[in-house]
Amino acid sequence: EDQVTQSPEALRLQEGESSSLNCSYTVSGLRGLFWYRQDPGKGPEFLFTLYSAGEEKEKERLKATLTKKESFLHITAPKPEDSATYLCAVQGKNYGQNFVFGPGTRLSVLP
Amino acid sequence: DSGVTQTPKHLITATGQRVTLRCSPRSGDLSVYWYQQSLDQGLQFLIQYYNGEERAKGNILERFSAQQFPDLHSELNLSSLELGDSALYFCASSAFDRGRNTGELFFGEGSRLTVL
Repeated sequence: EDQVTQSPEALRLQEGESSSLNCSYTVSGLRGLFWYRQDPGKGPEFLFTLYSAGEEKEKERLKATLTKKESFLHITAPKPEDSATYLCAVQGKNYGQNFVFGPGTRLSVLP
Repeated sequence: DSGVTQTPKHLITATGQRVTLRCSPRSGDLSVYWYQQSLDQGLQFLIQYYNGEERAKGNILERFSAQQFPDLHSELNLSSLELGDSALYFCASSAFDRGRNTGELFFGEGSRLTVL
């Protein structure tokens, strides 16, 4: 069964304090690993797709990387508006088109 | 705005009742997914439809059912409601096509169900 875990569960940063979020996964043949951002009371919003180990994607202050067992979401010089829950999801080759989500990391960036 | 529309946004009902949640996917998207999100759990996959047919099934209770109509909108029916069914129910759509993984789900704003 495909599984996704994320750490830490919650993270508080000062504005400008860079850090990384971790997503560890087990999947029967990875089709893709996805990062989403979710604001309170809203639906998740797509950030990145990573397909193979070694791949990296960047968007503003966010950079996602992928290895064979985990992915990192690096946040450089975060701002308060980056506060949100960040969700990681995987799609395996043996489970139809389902996306399995991790529990998320709740990020708070303090001014 | 993701382009996915969910109604109603909020719903309060009593135990034992039945409700229907509705989802209109983005224009042109053939796949619709339903997820449940409660406070103590992450996004739990319920069911997926592709062009009117059930494609994948997750941890969906027997009291719950769903369907996708010819115009591609989908409905999630929840019956014999229990207190534990209180949650946010999200619908998402994707442009996934056979053999091609777009990798992106577009989520609606969710339907918040409260069972009293």
